[in-house]
Amino acid sequence: SYVLTQPPSVSVAPGKTARITCGGNNIGSKRVHWYQQKPGQAPVLVIYYDSDRPSGIPERFSGSNSGNTATLTISRVDAGDEADYYCQVWDSSSDHVVFGGGTKLTVL
Amino acid sequence: QITLKESGPTLVKPTQTLTLICTFSGFSLTTPGVGVGWIRQPPGKALEWLAHTYWDEDKRYSPSLKSRLTITKDTSKNQVVLTMINMDPGDTATYYCAHLYSSSWTYWYFDLWGRGTLVSVSS
Repeated sequence: SYVLTQPPSVSVAPGKTARITCGGNNIGSKRVHWYQQKPGQAPVLVIYYDSDRPSGIPERFSGSNSGNTATLTISRVDAGDEADYYCQVWDSSSDHVVFGGGTKLTVL
Repeated sequence: QITLKESGPTLVKPTQTLTLICTFSGFSLTTPGVGVGWIRQPPGKALEWLAHTYWDEDKRYSPSLKSRLTITKDTSKNQVVLTMINMDPGDTATYYCAHLYSSSWTYWYFDLWGRGTLVSVSS
């Protein structure tokens, strides 16, 4: 089955740019979606189809996907961005959903 | 406005069967291109996809849990039901249902989630 690998944690200072990676075999051939989950809350979709933003998600959130790595980029990070972030793909060969292991973003 | 809400027991005993209901509004599960899925999250751990059903009766299950799961839908009630047999303490988790969508009927994603329900498995 398809595996997505995320770093367990990323730390960034306020106002700086955070980059969270999601690795997978030839992930660039798939479409990657990203979710933000704050403590005690349900996940919220922040990026779909690699780089599209749902309505209501700030432009500071962006995504890219190429080769074996997809990246969620959060610019001008503030304390409200502190959360767990999960990548997700749909594995076309099996019609299964796959989540990454999640990355905890800490704002220093 | 799409909403989803999970309901079911908060505590089950080992070996029992868990039945969770997702009641939704704002969309129809007869509309092509949509589905409803179940995802769980053990305390302090990552999200784990369990199963989903499409508008056309097609269903998919996590390979590791397939033998224990059944997902059904009742379009007249706007509900999706997940049944998990032979519950174990390791199944303690928050269980979420979510709206599954894709504009191309591929590369599916969950665009809206319920608030989740915590299920504990203990004797």
